[in-house]
Amino acid sequence: DTAVSQTPKYLVTQMGNDKSIKCEQNLGHDTMYWYKQDSKKFLKIMFSYNNKELIINETVPNRFSPKSPDKAHLNLHINSLELGDSAVYFCASSPSPNTGELFFGEGSRLTVL
Amino acid sequence: GENVEQHPSTLSVQEGDSAVIKCTYSDSASNYFPWYKQELGKGPQLIIDIRSNVGEKKDQRIAVTLNKTAKHFSLHITETQPEDSAVYFCAALKRNDMRFGAGTRLTVKP
Repeated sequence: DTAVSQTPKYLVTQMGNDKSIKCEQNLGHDTMYWYKQDSKKFLKIMFSYNNKELIINETVPNRFSPKSPDKAHLNLHINSLELGDSAVYFCASSPSPNTGELFFGEGSRLTVL
Repeated sequence: GENVEQHPSTLSVQEGDSAVIKCTYSDSASNYFPWYKQELGKGPQLIIDIRSNVGEKKDQRIAVTLNKTAKHFSLHITETQPEDSAVYFCAALKRNDMRFGAGTRLTVKP
């Protein structure tokens, strides 16, 4: 069974569209994250949720809105997509916010044309 | 916030040689330092970690050292194999905030 699964794996869309990426973890973890990895492989945290509550909200445009319906799910919705949003988005989870080890999903490659 | 610097950005070694990747961090409150390996098309995966109350940790061919005073930590891979080729990331955790280095692309030539 996949521990952290995210869908879709690939997403190609036009500028201005709205899209969502979904993430689910079956590890029983309390904390989930979204990271953005750009073309130079730099991993930058975007959001972190602990038990459905937002605990980290980096300087990310308002067009990005995370939603956590329960602690096993953290979805990312992006409005009015821009070329610069093209990246690989990784979902991750950890037992708690400060225990350390992150378990990453396989990534969702978003291409904005 | 925490700032993690990682060097080198690329590293090429012959199979069987050792590889060393170094990271520095800025915030002395950081207390957990993991290393992740990312293979092509995959998510990063934890390979070894160290907490601030330990100076060195080893797991078979990989080891990590931590110098709290100098705020730097290093990954050592001995007897490298082609399957070690990947991008490696260091990270530092302070409270609930994990910050990553920029990554090192390691290539092991057969």
